[in-house]
Amino acid sequence: QKEVEQNSGPLSVPEGAIASLNCTYSDRGSQSFFWYRQYSGKSPELIMFIYSNGDKEDGRFTAQLNKASQYVSLLIRDSQPSDSATYLCAVITTGNQFYFGTGTSLTVIP
Amino acid sequence: NAGVTQTPKFRILKIGQSMTLQCAQDMNHNYMYWYRQDPGMGLKLIYYSVGAGITDKGEVPNGYNVSRSTTEDFPLRLELAAPSQTSVYFCASKAGDPRTYNEQFFGPGTRLTVL
Repeated sequence: QKEVEQNSGPLSVPEGAIASLNCTYSDRGSQSFFWYRQYSGKSPELIMFIYSNGDKEDGRFTAQLNKASQYVSLLIRDSQPSDSATYLCAVITTGNQFYFGTGTSLTVIP
Repeated sequence: NAGVTQTPKFRILKIGQSMTLQCAQDMNHNYMYWYRQDPGMGLKLIYYSVGAGITDKGEVPNGYNVSRSTTEDFPLRLELAAPSQTSVYFCASKAGDPRTYNEQFFGPGTRLTVL
């Protein structure tokens, strides 16, 4: 079983719509959860992090964490073509190591 | 600040050759990491370091070695390169304890091809 699993997509949404990205993790003791955005040929950049159950909002981005169900999600409101990228979910496990998912490719259609 | 720098940007190796990927950061971060990213995949941790003189294995350490003699530098050594090591290699650094929020800053990556 992989530590972190994501639907690889591709996910396509029209401009202005809400994009929903999901991630599940296997280590129930994991404490820290991150969403990275990676443009093609570039390095990942952090866009959201969350530690507590519930929602965390930052601009057009909302991260949601449900530790009981072991999933993390990222909502992007008012999606823009510039949001087209691969989104990587990352988790720090009880072993204090980072694990990344394989990423979900998002395309926002103008 | 230059942030995290990596050299070289691109490299082609022949099977069996060796090389060192360089990584340096000027943010005085204690934590440094080496990842590899295969096409269409996420990042896999190769090695990490929590400070000068301290290194530990990640998820995929076989075929690689690291050293951390200074806070700034964290080179990754490939011995006896194999085609399976064809990948993009990212170095990253982070200020504090990974269990609390501190952003990982990534370098631009090194694209390595082994033929």
